[in-house]
Amino acid sequence: GAGVSQSPSNKVTEKGKDVELRCDPISGHTALYWYRQSLGQGLEFLIYFQGNSAPDKSGLPSDRFSAERTGGSVSTLTIQRTQQEDSAVYLCASSPPGGPTEAFFGQGTRLTVV
Amino acid sequence: GEDVEQSLFLSVREGDSSVINCTYTDSSSTYLYWYKQEPGAGLQLLTYIFSNMDMKQDQRLTVLLNKKDKHLSLRIADTQTGDSAIYFCAEKSRLNYGGSQGNLIFGKGTKLSVKP
Repeated sequence: GAGVSQSPSNKVTEKGKDVELRCDPISGHTALYWYRQSLGQGLEFLIYFQGNSAPDKSGLPSDRFSAERTGGSVSTLTIQRTQQEDSAVYLCASSPPGGPTEAFFGQGTRLTVV
Repeated sequence: GEDVEQSLFLSVREGDSSVINCTYTDSSSTYLYWYKQEPGAGLQLLTYIFSNMDMKQDQRLTVLLNKKDKHLSLRIADTQTGDSAIYFCAEKSRLNYGGSQGNLIFGKGTKLSVKP
């Protein structure tokens, strides 16, 4: 597709269950970012992948959160043993290499933990 | 660590100028950005400025950068009701990275309300 695609668009899960959120970046984009946006809050950085380099995981809030990026393309964000405070919109963005590269955002996955 | 700060709210009347301010901490940032998020929509890049510039103008938008004070501002001239949105300041932090690579760190966003 032409843009960053995220799935599912909405996810309702029970507290304690694991969830996987998927991001398909724009083809050829080497950088991929995950952010979390809680209601009325700004963008909280979670993790950043750049090419084949080790990811910057400094924003992951706890060890229940993990992410991987397979083949330098698709990325999956996994949240284990979900808690109610994990409810938020999870945004993925990708950008091409070099320069003042614009980050293109997906529409996000709205996660609700009940 | 990196940090980007912005005021949370701004209210202006239609036709006035809006000025949204932002401060950042990473002096090695190569680029600074303004993104816009309209209600129910994703984030879109509005404009950016390279760190060796102090001003950039693009139609109704003027970006001012004071690198010494690590202060960035976005001025919207002749603000319209369609400009109502959340505006995010972001820096491309080069801490721990080489060349032009870097993580994108966002502020919490400034909600601009434009009254007719």
